[in-house]
Amino acid sequence: EAQVTQNPRYLITVTGKKLTVTCSQNMNHEYMSWYRQDPGLGLRQIYYSMNVEVTDKGDVPEGYKVSRKEKRNFPLILESPSPNQTSLYFCASSLNLQGAYTDTQYFGPGTRLTVL
Amino acid sequence: AQSVAQPEDQVNVAEGNPLTVKCTYSVSGNPYLFWYVQYPNRGLQFLLKYITGDNLVKGSYGFEAEFNKSQTSFHLKKPSALVSDSALYFCAVRDRGSSGTYKYIFGTGTRLKVLA
Repeated sequence: EAQVTQNPRYLITVTGKKLTVTCSQNMNHEYMSWYRQDPGLGLRQIYYSMNVEVTDKGDVPEGYKVSRKEKRNFPLILESPSPNQTSLYFCASSLNLQGAYTDTQYFGPGTRLTVL
Repeated sequence: AQSVAQPEDQVNVAEGNPLTVKCTYSVSGNPYLFWYVQYPNRGLQFLLKYITGDNLVKGSYGFEAEFNKSQTSFHLKKPSALVSDSALYFCAVRDRGSSGTYKYIFGTGTRLKVLA
């Protein structure tokens, strides 16, 4: 089944304790992205990646890191989480055939993060 | 930079009646516009997109959207609402990132409630 998976689905942690949220897709998609969803603010893009070893900042990158060492994986790293990073996080991927973006993003089920 | 606005936090409609969820955009150049739906406790699902061509775009689950360049709008519509259409709807636009990359700007979302 074609899908985007995220782990963990729920996480409660404390301020300053490094954490990683994993994202994996099995559709051979080039484009991958992380979003956070907050009430009243909608979805905001944190980071995105056009392909392996190519990443770029979205609109809210502060406090986050990403890496794209393999095509299928795009982990989100919070090196020193703070309470304002409490949010619902989504990973997404889409196909990019030789520069022709299909633009249809497939989203993971979400990770609800609470930072105390 | 591109932006989208969803002026209504919530839309209520009776089952069987037509529904409209509004979206306006601000872009430089030709807009690439999208609608996504989020059901409770789920990730987002793609509904439809406008890239070019006909102003009326048909999508999944009987939804359609009308692109209006003069009014800079991309409203989502359905002729006859179902209770199962109750969900959170997001409008989005593609924006240019750095060095020829692409990122996405989402609206704040509109909660649709279809009443039986």
